[in-house]
Amino acid sequence: QLQLVESGGGVVQPGRSLRISCAASGFTFSRYAMHWVRQAPGKALEWVATIIYDGTNSLHTDSVKGRFSISRDNSKNTLYLQMNSLTSNDTAVYYCARENVGATFDYWGQGTLVSVSS
Amino acid sequence: QSALTQPASVSGSPGQSITISCTGTSSDVGAYNYVSWFQQYPGKAPKLIIFDVSNRPSGLSDRFSGSKSGNSASLTISGLQAEDEADYYCSSYTTTFTYVFGTGTTVTVL
Repeated sequence: QLQLVESGGGVVQPGRSLRISCAASGFTFSRYAMHWVRQAPGKALEWVATIIYDGTNSLHTDSVKGRFSISRDNSKNTLYLQMNSLTSNDTAVYYCARENVGATFDYWGQGTLVSVSS
Repeated sequence: QSALTQPASVSGSPGQSITISCTGTSSDVGAYNYVSWFQQYPGKAPKLIIFDVSNRPSGLSDRFSGSKSGNSASLTISGLQAEDEADYYCSSYTTTFTYVFGTGTTVTVL
């Protein structure tokens, strides 16, 4: 069955970097745009970034531009989010999600918690 | 991009219908018919319940329905059940090719 499994979260100090991953299975990963969405503790969902099916184009929300970078390796069916210069405002559960027709997110991973703290 | 505006909470008794609003702008909700709704239980990932304003994923209960007028969209839950108690979020594609979520609504079944 279709699965998205995030990994790589943890506690990181302010100003440091972290890369999180999302392993996809059960569908043809290379045919779909993918997204990262985050949710700070007790807060609403926030769209973070998207990358098209072949990795040649991506977009990031303004608050992470220049610090975060979404990428993918279709040979490994894996989505990545490289996060640099982390601040406490980046503390959140990070979900990967598949985009389907209708510009919607039809499948989500279980999330990985990134906690930025000294 | 500012978050779409939703009421913080909505409540209803079992069997009743409730409606959750989602207000945006002409750059997001009003621009396309690309409004989605998600249900989220505490500690769980969001689940898609409505896409393209009013379409339900295969197998989803027809108690959930969506609509849109101008810059606002709505989710209606009819025949409210205890299992509907959750957080609900709207989302929209935008004219800058990005996405925006709503502020979220907690549904309480009385």
